[in-house]
Amino acid sequence: QQPVQSPQAVILREGEDAVINCSSSKALYSVHWYRQKHGEAPIFLMILLKGGEQKGHDKISASFNEKKQQSSLYLTASQLSYSGTYFCGTELIDSWGKLQFGAGTQVVVTP
Amino acid sequence: GAGVSQSPSNKVTEKGKDVELRCDPISGHTALYWYRQSLGQGLEFLIYFQGNSAPDKSGLPSDRFSAERTGGSVSTLTIQRTQQEDSAVYLCASSRTSGGGQTQYFGPGTRLLVL
Repeated sequence: QQPVQSPQAVILREGEDAVINCSSSKALYSVHWYRQKHGEAPIFLMILLKGGEQKGHDKISASFNEKKQQSSLYLTASQLSYSGTYFCGTELIDSWGKLQFGAGTQVVVTP
Repeated sequence: GAGVSQSPSNKVTEKGKDVELRCDPISGHTALYWYRQSLGQGLEFLIYFQGNSAPDKSGLPSDRFSAERTGGSVSTLTIQRTQQEDSAVYLCASSRTSGGGQTQYFGPGTRLLVL
């Protein structure tokens, strides 16, 4: 039930773009994206609900393809503060409330 | 307003001892979740309290793990007869309701080390 995230890690220079993917083998109600810095709690970024919407927060945006049960997180014009581990959490249609998290994507943004 | 708080922030214990980890959710949040994060790993779901309904305990790894939530607010996760593989960060989260599509807000976690 755990979603699959890719890539495992990505190294960027400031200003570059990156895409993180999250896919599930089961029908999803929502996808939640979090960023976690070392030694800190995961911080909520955004949630995408069933319906194939796209959302944005500053220069971080995400899409949800309901047909493919996939979500992508887009880091645009990356900043040093974007460094951290990004997790997607998937909520199944038949299991509201409970999130299953992917293994995470480590993002390192260098000057 | 105050976020999710957890205590203790760090706990070192000896193998075989019992430990209790506490979570204080955001005021008014009816849903509460416990997760475990081993070093360098993702978040593993443990248990989910959804208002007055029976908790979803499907993620508890063994019968040494139990949790309760008193008065619909504070929750305690208890690990009995701790083992070295229980060493991890235990994260608690809460959400406003238990319906679908609710944002979960995480606490800072309790770092447990079993010697």
